[in-house]
Amino acid sequence: DADVTQTPRNRITKTGKRIMLECSQTKGHDRMYWYRQDPGLGLRLIYYSFDVKDINKGEISDGYSVSRQAQAKFSLSLESAIPNQTALYFCAIQGENTGELFFGEGSRLTVL
Amino acid sequence: AQSVTQLGSHVSVSEGALVLLRCNYSSSVPPYLFWYVQYPNQGLQLLLKYTTGATLVKGINGFEAEFKKSETSFHLTKPSAHMSDAAEYFCAVSENSWGKLQFGAGTQVVVTP
Repeated sequence: DADVTQTPRNRITKTGKRIMLECSQTKGHDRMYWYRQDPGLGLRLIYYSFDVKDINKGEISDGYSVSRQAQAKFSLSLESAIPNQTALYFCAIQGENTGELFFGEGSRLTVL
Repeated sequence: AQSVTQLGSHVSVSEGALVLLRCNYSSSVPPYLFWYVQYPNQGLQLLLKYTTGATLVKGINGFEAEFKKSETSFHLTKPSAHMSDAAEYFCAVSENSWGKLQFGAGTQVVVTP
């Protein structure tokens, strides 16, 4: 089983719809992240969480919200999707005391 | 604040030739530095990392990188490119072992026969 699992892997939706991307992990790490990847822009941080009670905004949090339902689960929501939120979204967990991120396989979202 | 600049969004190399991907960073404290690789339709996986100690770091698949503080650089090299090295490569910096990573824009590597 993968350490980090993202669902759905692909989603096409319409402008104005609410979308939730889910992430779960099996490693028991406290730190979890949501990044967005766009061509030519690399990965940009949306939100991150250092434990269940700790949620922090990243550099591009506008239009997004998150929920840390349990240590193993970290969900990203788009309350009202817009076309410029079309992107590849990655969830990652951070190794204890190593700094290294372990990534899921990504969720490709298309907003029409 | 920390930032990463990767020189060249696309690099084309011949099979068997040297691969050199450039990364410069800015950080107000001694950095933690990472190189990740992304194969098509996959997530990112770690190639190598520098935290402290030896400045020449060896990673998987024959890649290595050298931390040069005076040049604020962490360039990635591989002596002989394979077709399987075709992928996108990302440099990243963090200020410590528990903080968030700042990524560069990525370099797409194409390997030609």
